Amino acid sequence: NAGVTQTPKFQVLKTGQSMTLQCAQDMNHEYMSWYRQDPGMGLRLIHYSVGAGITDQGEVPNGYNVSRSTTEDFPLRLLSAAPSQTSVYFCASRPREDSYEQYFGPGTRLTVT
Amino acid sequence: GNSVTQMEGPVTLSEEAFLTINCTYTATGYPSLFWYVQYPGEGLQLLLKATKADDKGSNKGFEATYRKETTSFHLEKGSVQVSDSAVYFCALSDRYTGFQKLVFGTGTRLLVSP
Repeated sequence: NAGVTQTPKFQVLKTGQSMTLQCAQDMNHEYMSWYRQDPGMGLRLIHYSVGAGITDQGEVPNGYNVSRSTTEDFPLRLLSAAPSQTSVYFCASRPREDSYEQYFGPGTRLTVT
Repeated sequence: GNSVTQMEGPVTLSEEAFLTINCTYTATGYPSLFWYVQYPGEGLQLLLKATKADDKGSNKGFEATYRKETTSFHLEKGSVQVSDSAVYFCALSDRYTGFQKLVFGTGTRLLVSP
């Protein structure tokens, strides 16, 4: 199993550009999440999904869109990038609602200039 | 709302020293508590967990005890190694707000020198 994979590892965008961060997992996990990690602020939940076709907002959803058409994939879209979205983004998955452990991907470092 | 407070780092230790990283929490219900570790260039990995008061989580020589009376979950290790250098995150989840919503502390960087 590859676990949770994320692409790209690094990305530089100009303000106003759009892009999609990819996340995939091969563990057949129902639950997937996106977090952003900023210095001095820990990780904050952006969006999450409890299964294919079902998504919900987390703590900091503004400026981001998600969809979940398959169990495996959970892409995060930045519609119009802003410098405040410069961050490291982590995707995570877990098998069930009552499963305590989340499995994290290696992260995508995004810089918006 | 729920929150987690960790001691600020970096924590700098020599190999074989004793480690404590403090973590306290605020929660309305009865949360489950976690320590995650992030090695350089990698994602987070679950290190240990405790799901009810007085539980002790342990893994790889690390321990933490769920103290409801002091709302704390301090991470300890008796003898650190250079390979323990990483960022450690305390986190909680609450059955009432959904296990999906992990709340993290800000992280504490540990640097261990030979």
